[in-house]
Amino acid sequence: GAVVSQHPSRVICKSGTSVKIECRSLDFQATTMFWYRQFPKKSLMLMATSNEGSKATYEQGVEKDKFLINHASLTLSTLTVTSAHPEDSSFYICSARPPGVTEAFFGQGTRLTVV
Amino acid sequence: AQSVTQPDIHITVSEGASLELRCNYSYGATPYLFWYVQSPGQGLQLLLKYFSGDTLVQGIKGFEAEFKRSQSSFNLRKPSVHWSDAAEYFCAVHYGQNFVFGPGTRLSVLP
Repeated sequence: GAVVSQHPSRVICKSGTSVKIECRSLDFQATTMFWYRQFPKKSLMLMATSNEGSKATYEQGVEKDKFLINHASLTLSTLTVTSAHPEDSSFYICSARPPGVTEAFFGQGTRLTVV
Repeated sequence: AQSVTQPDIHITVSEGASLELRCNYSYGATPYLFWYVQSPGQGLQLLLKYFSGDTLVQGIKGFEAEFKRSQSSFNLRKPSVHWSDAAEYFCAVHYGQNFVFGPGTRLSVLP
């Protein structure tokens, strides 16, 4: 199947700093990627849909100025958590679908800890 | 609105025993249904999917699931559980461009 790579897998940052998470589709081009957040022992919540070459579409309640998404190429989307706070600590997962495929492929996830 | 429920938060089974994880969905049209597995600290891996056709679908690692339209269910089964199956399992419905995930069922396996 298609491969989606996410980096870093773990990151610890200080409050007030920004953290960038990368999501790459390794063997296919993805015009659309998705960013999810998963709280401990909870399901995945869609944060935003990343669209190549245009602005991301954010779900209700997600602060677009805090969670900056850039989809500059057909194989890379980035999520930047700005001015991080401890409550931003979570597991973030991206996914992407190859063209014409309904099935989504997920990255390995990024464990963010803000101290 | 589309929703997915997984009634069992946590299930414990003995190794070698059979397993059934329940999933119910609320969706107006014919759904695309998925089961994903997540090991601790990892991303999601697709176990199986249903789009149309035969309502009993086979997946990886010996898993299967049956789509029952009358019950709006898509339960996951495995005849004999292995210790390595201990993980979190998510049922999902695909609609539009997005997925809606159930809350997940954590599976523990006793030796």
